Amino acid sequence: GQQVMQIPQYQHVQEGEDFTTYCNSSTTLSNIQWYKQRPGGHPVFLIQLVKSGEVKKQKRLTFQFGEAKKNSSLHITATQTTDVGTYFCAGATSGTYKYIFGTGTRLKVLA
Amino acid sequence: KAGVTQTPRYLIKTRGQQVTLSCSPISGHRSVSWYQQTPGQGLQFLFEYFSETQRNKGNFPGRFSGRQFSNSRSEMNVSTLELGDSALYLCASSLDARVLVKNIQYFGAGTRLSVL
Repeated sequence: GQQVMQIPQYQHVQEGEDFTTYCNSSTTLSNIQWYKQRPGGHPVFLIQLVKSGEVKKQKRLTFQFGEAKKNSSLHITATQTTDVGTYFCAGATSGTYKYIFGTGTRLKVLA
Repeated sequence: KAGVTQTPRYLIKTRGQQVTLSCSPISGHRSVSWYQQTPGQGLQFLFEYFSETQRNKGNFPGRFSGRQFSNSRSEMNVSTLELGDSALYLCASSLDARVLVKNIQYFGAGTRLSVL
């Protein structure tokens, strides 16, 4: 069945450093969503990518969707302590719209 | 606008019992999805309902079932509980999970189920 892997599983960075998490699907996706879950909280929607090669920015966050629509990345520039949490990608294949979540990347930011 | 409401927030059951969890979606949202979150397995898709019909199902045993009512509220039921069912159960609502721009999922705070 469809699998979505994320790397790294954990990342510790010093405040001000950059951070990137990568998401890889075993199948071609129709679209991909990114969510952030703070410790003790629930996932909160960040962004959705639909087009091949699409790049979207939200302040210090940059999201990319691969040309083959099988991978995606989230890059955070100059991390802040408020960026702490687990970042999940969630991909859906055409026709199913069943969202398979990636394994998540837990980010810790050291002040 | 009120968010997604899940009840109860915490639940303790023993093996062999059954449990029913409830989810009230955001007003106007017709799609409700359920996920199981555990430290080892991450977020796993259980099922999705739209207009009282189950449209998608994940790879869970038949002990896991759900339903949706005409007001879009949804319930999930787990029968014959096992220790491995201990998890955070999250409900997410969207306008319509199959339509782009309407498929953004809003999650509830979850129900934390502990099976002893």
